[in-house]
Amino acid sequence: EPEVTQTPSHQVTQMGQEVILRCVPISNHLYFYWYRQILGQKVEFLVSFYNNEISEKSEIFDDQFSVERPDGSNFTLKIRSTKLEDSAMYFCASTGLAGTADTQYFGPGTRLTVL
Amino acid sequence: AQSVTQPDIHITVSEGASLELRCNYSYGATPYLFWYVQSPGQGLQLLLKYFSGDTLVQGIKGFEAEFKRSQSSFNLRKPSVHWSDAAEYFCAVAKGNAGNMLTFGGGTRLMVKP
Repeated sequence: EPEVTQTPSHQVTQMGQEVILRCVPISNHLYFYWYRQILGQKVEFLVSFYNNEISEKSEIFDDQFSVERPDGSNFTLKIRSTKLEDSAMYFCASTGLAGTADTQYFGPGTRLTVL
Repeated sequence: AQSVTQPDIHITVSEGASLELRCNYSYGATPYLFWYVQSPGQGLQLLLKYFSGDTLVQGIKGFEAEFKRSQSSFNLRKPSVHWSDAAEYFCAVAKGNAGNMLTFGGGTRLMVKP
């Protein structure tokens, strides 16, 4: 069964450093998402991406964050200058249909630890 | 804006007992509702979803959920819990338009006693 994959599974970085989290969505999917889950808190939406541009973003997704689909398979989340409060589990998701509610398939997550 | 409330943070049930996890949502239009399960160290796996039609939906692993518009609820049920069901369960609502962001509840952690 196709699945969303994410790398690395765990990333440790120093405050102020840039990190790139990588995701490979399911191959024929059209919409891509990033969510995060701070330890002990709920899963929060960050951004959705369709047709090579951001379609929606939350207040969390400020200028420190960016997303990119650099090739036909990868979908990345970049945090330019990490803060302690960026420590969280980051989930990538993808869905096959555009313009309607559809099931989002989630990857296993990347645990980001900012020291 | 939509919101989801899961009133129970922790629930403990005995193996073989029935289970009901509560979910209440707030959304001005027809909601698209989901239940996801997260095992320790794992991602989110879809259990079931409601878009329209029959208000009782069946999912994987023997789970079902009932959409009740009058109560703004989408409670998850299972008639007989197995030890492997111990996990965190998240209810979520989507707007159903392009973009389709999910809004999650705070989750319910299920523990199963032998």
